[in-house]
Amino acid sequence: GAVVSQHPSRVICKSGTSVKIECRSLDFQATTMFWYRQFPKQSLMLMATSNEGSKATYEQGVEKDKFLINHASLTLSTLTVTSAHPEDSSFYICSARPTAGELYEQYFGPGTRLTVT
Amino acid sequence: QKEVEQNSGPLSVPEGAIASLNCTYSDRGSQSFFWYRQYSGKSPELIMFIYSNGDKEDGRFTAQLNKASQYVSLLIRDSQPSDSATYLCAVFTGTASKLTFGTGTRLQVTL
Repeated sequence: GAVVSQHPSRVICKSGTSVKIECRSLDFQATTMFWYRQFPKQSLMLMATSNEGSKATYEQGVEKDKFLINHASLTLSTLTVTSAHPEDSSFYICSARPTAGELYEQYFGPGTRLTVT
Repeated sequence: QKEVEQNSGPLSVPEGAIASLNCTYSDRGSQSFFWYRQYSGKSPELIMFIYSNGDKEDGRFTAQLNKASQYVSLLIRDSQPSDSATYLCAVFTGTASKLTFGTGTRLQVTL
C-alpha cells in the first residue's frame, strides 16, 4: 500500500517551454502533497505544500508564478514549470500525506528528471 | 547554522562492519526524526523514524535520539554492499508541518 506515482519519469524540453509533472496517490487519498527539488549532490529542498482545493503554500525563494501547482483532487497534484530555463533542470520529487495519516507521514513518488536544453 | 546537519562523507566501511551515521538539528521544537536511504537517481525510501529519546531497533538498523543534545544517529549492523547509498536525515516540526532534510551522508560499503 501507500504508493505514489509520478509522470513522466524523465522529460527533456526546450528553454522557454512549459512542462507539467503529475503526482498521484494510487491507493490512498491525500489532502496534502509536497513538491521537492533536488539538484545533483544536494538534499531535497521543499518547494511547496499543495492542499486539495486550495492554493499551494510556497517556500521562501520559490517563484509561485513560475512553478504552478494544482491539487484538484484527493489523488492528484500537478506541478507546471513555466518558461523553463536550463537552471530549472533538476530532479523533482513529490510526496503525499494520507488524509487519514499522521502529520509526519509522507510517501514519496519515484521522481521526475527534468532537463531543459 | 543549517537546520539539519550531516557529514557529507563518503563514509567507507568494510562489509560486515557497523556503519554509524550522525545528524544534528537546530530546532528544539522538532518532534519526529527520520532516516531515508537514497540510491543514485532514485527518490528517498524511508528506513525508520524515531520520536522518543533512546534507541529504536528494526532489523539491522538502530536509530538513536538524544533530544537534549539535538542529535540523532543511525547504526547499520552487518553492513552490506547493497547498503551503499546516501542516507538522509529528516526532521519534522509540527508547527511548520513539514520535513526538513539534511544534505545526506554517502555510505560506501567495501568488499
